[in-house]
Amino acid sequence: DTEVTQTPKHLVMGMTNKKSLKCEQHMGHRAMYWYKQKAKKPPELMFVYSYEKLSINESVPSRFSPECPNSSLLNLHLHALQPEDSALYLCASSQGEGFNEQFFGPGTRLTVL
Amino acid sequence: GIQVEQSPPDLILQEGANSTLRCNFSDSVNNLQWFHQNPWGQLINLFYIPSGTKQNGRLSATTVATERYSLLYISSSQTTDSGVYFCAAEGGYGGATNKLIFGTGTLLAVQP
Repeated sequence: DTEVTQTPKHLVMGMTNKKSLKCEQHMGHRAMYWYKQKAKKPPELMFVYSYEKLSINESVPSRFSPECPNSSLLNLHLHALQPEDSALYLCASSQGEGFNEQFFGPGTRLTVL
Repeated sequence: GIQVEQSPPDLILQEGANSTLRCNFSDSVNNLQWFHQNPWGQLINLFYIPSGTKQNGRLSATTVATERYSLLYISSSQTTDSGVYFCAAEGGYGGATNKLIFGTGTLLAVQP
């Protein structure tokens, strides 16, 4: 099973709201990732968790707060977002330990009003 | 960090035609992947190919790591092949980084 699931599929939020995106994988992967993709652009890496520890933060604003409660789950907490944060947010996972083929979830399409 | 370039940026084909998409990268790679992004945004894994040649049905890919390029071949194209094709690479100096860098993509439209 090479499936990564993400919820919700769509999210509309105001600039004062707090919301969370969720990602789950059951492939036993030990690395998980958040990417952001604007329209007509490639995905851009935001965060990497390796063995449940944050290993890479690509200078993402603090209004995005990642969390990895366990090896299967990855959350992205959103607070005080701006309209320019509207994008497709993609989660991915990989086995880790040098086996780095990444598998992506279907994404959450976020609109900030 | 590693840089990834794709060509062509856009491609229009008639159904049944063949095509070749190219990906150039600036450094040695630990990971090179080809993806197809469907209209709903899902990134579908096509190939994990840091070196060598692989085939899967009508698709095949070749990576020549020493010359820093990869090619994706689509044969007998179908309308369902339409979408954006991304090449993504991880590598550069220092070995594995877990940082997958995407090219700007090739937008493919297959017309019936």
